[in-house]
Amino acid sequence: DSGVTQTPKHLITATGQRVTLRCSPRSGDLSVYWYQQSLDQGLQFLIQYYNGEERAKGNILERFSAQQFPDLHSELNLSSLELGDSALYFCASSGDSSNQPQHFGDGTRLSIL
Amino acid sequence: TQLLEQSPQFLSIQEGENLTVYCNSSSVFSSLQWYRQEPGEGPVLLVTVVTGGEVKKLKRLTFQFGDARKDSSLHITAAQPGDTGLYLCAGLWEYSGGGADGLTFGKGTHLIIQP
Repeated sequence: DSGVTQTPKHLITATGQRVTLRCSPRSGDLSVYWYQQSLDQGLQFLIQYYNGEERAKGNILERFSAQQFPDLHSELNLSSLELGDSALYFCASSGDSSNQPQHFGDGTRLSIL
Repeated sequence: TQLLEQSPQFLSIQEGENLTVYCNSSSVFSSLQWYRQEPGEGPVLLVTVVTGGEVKKLKRLTFQFGDARKDSSLHITAAQPGDTGLYLCAGLWEYSGGGADGLTFGKGTHLIIQP
């Protein structure tokens, strides 16, 4: 058990819809990262938040956004969903400095019909 | 775009054999991590290497970081069926800019150990 909790585990929705994925980091971790894993692209970094503030952006689409709340949990919002957004979405958390290991949750499997 | 090449992509061997997985880039890493992922679960951290030339051992697994910090390898001795899984290398680039700490992952090595 990594200590990182993601909900829901599975999400099925239709094109054009909007969903919110939730992540609770490990106790004491200030950084939260979101990744997308698909069969063709592998694991890709989307965005990082540190102590409530956006810290870094990766390959995140404009239709996607995230936030980190005062209690350090984070949400990833995906809107105007397309078939190609079907993927596993992982959240990871780490401590307060670079090079600290990232601990991953078990992911949310998003299926767009 | 900085790439992290991992090879082989697929590997199926018999129990008891040895194997090596490689992770290569043309850019320098500030650190490199190896993860193992099983179906339905998130990646689980195996090791982090930071210093060029560093070697770390985890039971039958040996991890090596290249002297120039551009490559790494994972060697498994006497593989067992329980080693089956997806092995991922992931790096933090030395000059990622802006303090970005998102990992760049290789596409992984799907390893199957047959009994």
